[in-house]
Amino acid sequence: DTEVTQTPKHLVMGMTNKKSLKCEQHMGHRAMYWYKQKAKKPPELMFVYSYEKLSINESVPSRFSPECPNSSLLNLHLHALQPEDSALYLCASSQERNRRQGLGVGGYTFGSGTRLTVV
Amino acid sequence: QKEVEQDPGPLSVPEGAIVSLNCTYSNSAFQYFMWYRQYSRKGPELLMYTYSSGNKEDGRFTAQVDKSSKYISLFIRDSQPSDSATYLCAMSLTGANSKLTFGKGITLSVRP
Repeated sequence: DTEVTQTPKHLVMGMTNKKSLKCEQHMGHRAMYWYKQKAKKPPELMFVYSYEKLSINESVPSRFSPECPNSSLLNLHLHALQPEDSALYLCASSQERNRRQGLGVGGYTFGSGTRLTVV
Repeated sequence: QKEVEQDPGPLSVPEGAIVSLNCTYSNSAFQYFMWYRQYSRKGPELLMYTYSSGNKEDGRFTAQVDKSSKYISLFIRDSQPSDSATYLCAMSLTGANSKLTFGKGITLSVRP
């Protein structure tokens, strides 16, 4: 199983709503990420979880709240979003390998994303 | 100067052409280099993953990393219409648990 699964695929929410994005991986990866991607732009890092602990927060507004309940799951809780927060939200996971473990397979695996529209 | 620069494109080639995509970077501490392909409205798909300098080949795709010149390339041989997508270079300081820094991406169109 080499997939990162994100739900829902599409989400429309009002500015006063509370919703959550979910991400799941069963590759045994111990690092998980949230990225935000606007149209025709590269993904921008929001959060990094390493061994279920938040290790990087790229100065993301508090209306985005990440949660890592266990090593396979990553959530992003949304509250009081703005229309400019509409974007594709991508989850990714990765596993660090050293040269002895072999680098033939590696990299960051992305999910298909949740397309979020804030109205 | 941006950390990662990628040719802006778009790029249009006939089917069967050899495609060369390039990125330059400024941070000599980057050690892991990746190429992603992204179809419209989908997440990025990892194509190639390399550590440090050298070449790596996988089917019709070859990735090259030249750390001395801070330059990476992706070559696509015998390009197919199904290769039409946006290609993103990305790099990181470590193999995991760190930020991926992306190029802006280049949109490739392969004409039948």
